[in-house]
Amino acid sequence: DGGITQSPKYLFRKEGQNVTLSCEQNLNHDAMYWYRQDPGQGLRLIYYSQIVNDFQKGDIAEGYSVSREKKESFPLTVTSAQKNPTAFYLCASSIGTTTNEKLFFGSGTQLSVL
Amino acid sequence: AQSVTQLGSHVSVSEGALVLLRCNYSSSVPPYLFWYVQYPNQGLQLLLKYTTGATLVKGINGFEAEFKKSETSFHLTKPSAHMSDAAEYFCAVTSTGANSKLTFGKGITLSVRP
Repeated sequence: DGGITQSPKYLFRKEGQNVTLSCEQNLNHDAMYWYRQDPGQGLRLIYYSQIVNDFQKGDIAEGYSVSREKKESFPLTVTSAQKNPTAFYLCASSIGTTTNEKLFFGSGTQLSVL
Repeated sequence: AQSVTQLGSHVSVSEGALVLLRCNYSSSVPPYLFWYVQYPNQGLQLLLKYTTGATLVKGINGFEAEFKKSETSFHLTKPSAHMSDAAEYFCAVTSTGANSKLTFGKGITLSVRP
């Protein structure tokens, strides 16, 4: 089945540690996105990529980094500079790169701080 | 800049009752409007979207929404609630304007009472 796979489902971070969240899609979509979801705050865009080897900062990129070495993969690293990382992280993709495209979402990763 | 307002954080209805989830937007250019649904511990999926043309948009699972430019609204309705409709619902707005981006509302949780 085509879709977006996020792993792990749950992740725990120790203070000062970098952690990486995986996102893989087999939909052959050009664009991929990372969102952060906090209770009662909706979704906020962290980073997005419209093409391999290129990505753009979203609204809350500080303390995060990404790479897009392959079309199907868009991992997110939460660095130690992100002081409040506890949240639900959602990866999404879209066929095209315009903002009115339908987004396809993965099932998310819940990150918590130990 | 665009914005979305979803008043209230929680709506509770009885099974079989009308569902009405409100969404108001702000946009200086013609908007594209979306409703996404999120079931517990899952990603979001698109319910429906408005781009141009008919202002009454039908979506999946019996939901529909009407674009009212004069009221800057895009309220989501379903004539008869089902227990399986219990979820969180997000309204989102974008446009074709320069530097447009997809902006999500804070979401509203729908509970359905037996």
